[in-house]
Amino acid sequence: DVVMTQSPLSLPVTLGQPASISCRSSQTLVHSDGNTYLNWFQQRPGQSPRRLIYKVSNRDSGVPDRFSGSGSGTDFTLKISRVEAEDVGVYYCMQATHRPRTFGQGTKVEI
Amino acid sequence: QLVESGGGLAQPGGSLRLSCVGSGFSFSNFWMTWVRQAPGKGLEWVANIKPDGNEKFYVDSVKDHFAISRDNAKNSLYLQMDNLRAEDTAVYYCSRGDWLDIWGQGTMVTVSS
Repeated sequence: DVVMTQSPLSLPVTLGQPASISCRSSQTLVHSDGNTYLNWFQQRPGQSPRRLIYKVSNRDSGVPDRFSGSGSGTDFTLKISRVEAEDVGVYYCMQATHRPRTFGQGTKVEI
Repeated sequence: QLVESGGGLAQPGGSLRLSCVGSGFSFSNFWMTWVRQAPGKGLEWVANIKPDGNEKFYVDSVKDHFAISRDNAKNSLYLQMDNLRAEDTAVYYCSRGDWLDIWGQGTMVTVSS
């Protein structure tokens, strides 16, 4: 199975400051169709997960533009340009290139 | 919208059947996925199923005792869980698609004697 490794696992942040989460995969996430199926999810306390980013860098509808995704191959990053209080929660990367699909361990973002 | 049901308390070795009803979209056009989250832990992809139900995929840890299915006429997704173990205790979410763009609220499954 593809192992997804996130860092850091805990990320203390300051309101208004940038934040960055790394996600590395044990195999390339480039699919045979040429796409890279790497998604990012946010789970606020007590809530269901919510997808933020799909295929590395595409923001979902309603996701603030302070969230951005980048990367290629085996190395990916989620950035928050200016952290707001509502961004507190756990963030997960997930690959959908290989079977079974696998998630990272999660990164807890706290003020 | 996705709404799960069917969770509860089961004894080790027992069975439960989870359901998920989709609304507001063309259910029969989408892959559907189950994801679980053990208490205080991260997300684990469990299984998914093709729109026509003819292809199913599982994580190895559930392959021999869970079965995913769907009834497109009822806009419903199911997870039959047999021979339940303590490590199956989790909140079970259904999600739309292979890329998980919409999630339900989850249903709690507790396996304990």
